[in-house]
Amino acid sequence: GDSVTQMEGPVTLSEEAFLTINCTYTATGYPSLFWYVQYPGEGLQLLLKATKADDKGSNKGFEATYRKETTSFHLEKGSVQVSDSAVYFCALGGLSGSARQLTFGSGTQLTVLP
Amino acid sequence: EADIYQTPRYLVIGTGKKITLECSQTMGHDKMYWYQQDPGMELHLIHYSYGVNSTEKGDLSSESTVSRIRTEHFPLTLESARPSHTSQYLCASSELADTQYFGPGTRLTVL
Repeated sequence: GDSVTQMEGPVTLSEEAFLTINCTYTATGYPSLFWYVQYPGEGLQLLLKATKADDKGSNKGFEATYRKETTSFHLEKGSVQVSDSAVYFCALGGLSGSARQLTFGSGTQLTVLP
Repeated sequence: EADIYQTPRYLVIGTGKKITLECSQTMGHDKMYWYQQDPGMELHLIHYSYGVNSTEKGDLSSESTVSRIRTEHFPLTLESARPSHTSQYLCASSELADTQYFGPGTRLTVL
């Protein structure tokens, strides 16, 4: 079945450092790929998504490119801020018509120090 | 931005109590979901719904039940709460076979 493998955390960075959180997936067909972010005490928020190979999703300085050849969707940001401290989830979208649509990775805790 | 609401945000109750966690969305989405999030952060799908009068169990076995009488409302009920039910419960909705929008969650503690 579908699965998502996400870089284990926790990750601790200094402000303005470069961020990469690795995500690889296993799926049949051509799934959509997502990154969600969860701030302390809150639910998940969509950060970015890509729906087909070579698409780049971007939002708030974060980027991820859908790489079909390596089955990856790594999250990157050039310069992190303290406010980026949160848990980041990579997710894979199932086939159209299925309500069981998102398969989540295990989450990566990011802490950014001033 | 999505409008999906969960109440209560925090709940502390004793063993054996019946509880209902509320989830409502104002976007008219057909699909709704309940996830259980453990302390290690991993999300587990416990229930989902395609639409009114449609409910299915998810990947993780749960003693909870759900109902979908109205499009906007998807409550989750525990008939007899136990300490093993202590967790964060997240509700989500979606329109297409694509993006899910999440509520703020209910943190449940059963003593």
